[in-house]
Amino acid sequence: EDQVTQSPEALRLQEGESSSLNCSYTVSGLRGLFWYRQDPGKGPEFLFTLYSAGEEKEKERLKATLTKKESFLHITAPKPEDSATYLCAVQASGGNEKLTFGTGTRLTIIP
Amino acid sequence: NAGVTQTPKFRILKIGQSMTLQCTQDMNHNYMYWYRQDPGMGLKLIYYSVGAGITDKGEVPNGYNVSRSTTEDFPLRLELAAPSQTSVYFCASRLYYGYTFGSGTRLTVV
Repeated sequence: EDQVTQSPEALRLQEGESSSLNCSYTVSGLRGLFWYRQDPGKGPEFLFTLYSAGEEKEKERLKATLTKKESFLHITAPKPEDSATYLCAVQASGGNEKLTFGTGTRLTIIP
Repeated sequence: NAGVTQTPKFRILKIGQSMTLQCTQDMNHNYMYWYRQDPGMGLKLIYYSVGAGITDKGEVPNGYNVSRSTTEDFPLRLELAAPSQTSVYFCASRLYYGYTFGSGTRLTVV
């Protein structure tokens, strides 16, 4: 069974204090690993897709990296508007349409 | 370009009642999905569709039904609502990768 574990559950940072969120996964052949951002009362917003170990993608203050067992979402010099819950999900290979989601990391950036 | 639109945003149902959650997308995406999100748990796939006329069960389909008569619409039907169906429901669509989610329907069954 595919599994995704995210840590920490919650993280409070001062504005400008860089950190990383972790997503550990087990999947029967990885088709893709996804990062989403979710604001309170809204649907998840797509950030990145990673396909293979060693791949990295960047968007503004966010950088996602992937190994064979985990992914990291690095946040550099965060701002208060980066406060949100960050979700990680994996999709197994073999025509499976299901995304297996983690429970998320709730990030709070303090001005 | 409105993306994925879900209605209603909130609904309270009594046990045993039925309702349809509406989902419409204007991006001409073939793939559409219904997920539910419960507190402290990851989103779970209920049903999905790979195109008009084609639907399939996801991880937690019991108590739900879907149809896909057009590319744009993918309604989710709840028959005989139960308290266990209290949740936030998200519809999503995609063309390739990068799902686009709607803003959700918060459903309470009492």
